[in-house]
Amino acid sequence: NAGVTQTPKFRVLKTGQSMTLLCAQDMNHEYMYWYRQDPGMGLRLIHYSVGEGTTAKGEVPDGYNVSRLKKQNFLLGLESAAPSQTSVYFCASSTGQNNEKLFFGSGTQLSVL
Amino acid sequence: LAKTTQPISMDSYEGQEVNITCSHNNIATNDYITWYQQFPSQGPRFIIQGYKTKVTNEVASLFIPADRKSSTLSLPRVSLSDTAVYYCLVGGGYNTNAGKSTFGDGTTLTVKP
Repeated sequence: NAGVTQTPKFRVLKTGQSMTLLCAQDMNHEYMYWYRQDPGMGLRLIHYSVGEGTTAKGEVPDGYNVSRLKKQNFLLGLESAAPSQTSVYFCASSTGQNNEKLFFGSGTQLSVL
Repeated sequence: LAKTTQPISMDSYEGQEVNITCSHNNIATNDYITWYQQFPSQGPRFIIQGYKTKVTNEVASLFIPADRKSSTLSLPRVSLSDTAVYYCLVGGGYNTNAGKSTFGDGTTLTVKP
């Protein structure tokens, strides 16, 4: 049982380049989330999904897009990367119930030069 | 938004009991209180969850007063390996609550020998 898997683990981009981060979960969870974490700070919600085919904006959605074409996958895209998007990105999934417990992936360290 | 307030940092020594309090004055009737632990370079990990009164599991206890406007995570006899950031999360999940809770900056616990 792998839980939540994120790929890649590390990536370096140049300003203006694009990339997609992939999150996959094998727990049949309805809800999936993308967070970013800057040094010494807590996690901030970028986008989330409450089910296959749905997405919604979180606290800091600007500069990111997401898609949830399959229940088990949640993709985070950066169309034109900026240095301000240098961060660690975490994906999480949950049942979506009131007493949900978030299960996190191991993170993606992204540097934009 | 179900915002929370925690101390930024705490220090302790091995073998001591540590209590971390979280304030959540605008907690809603359906909200659960969930605590997560995060080690460097890892995603947060679920520790304990409660709705009211006291909950205990193999690693921690959670105390919630009757008004539910605060909660206290209690770690008995901490060891060096308990050095981490601890987050209190209120709400989340379930339709309109999805994405509404925030992690905040957490409490950095440092356990000294």
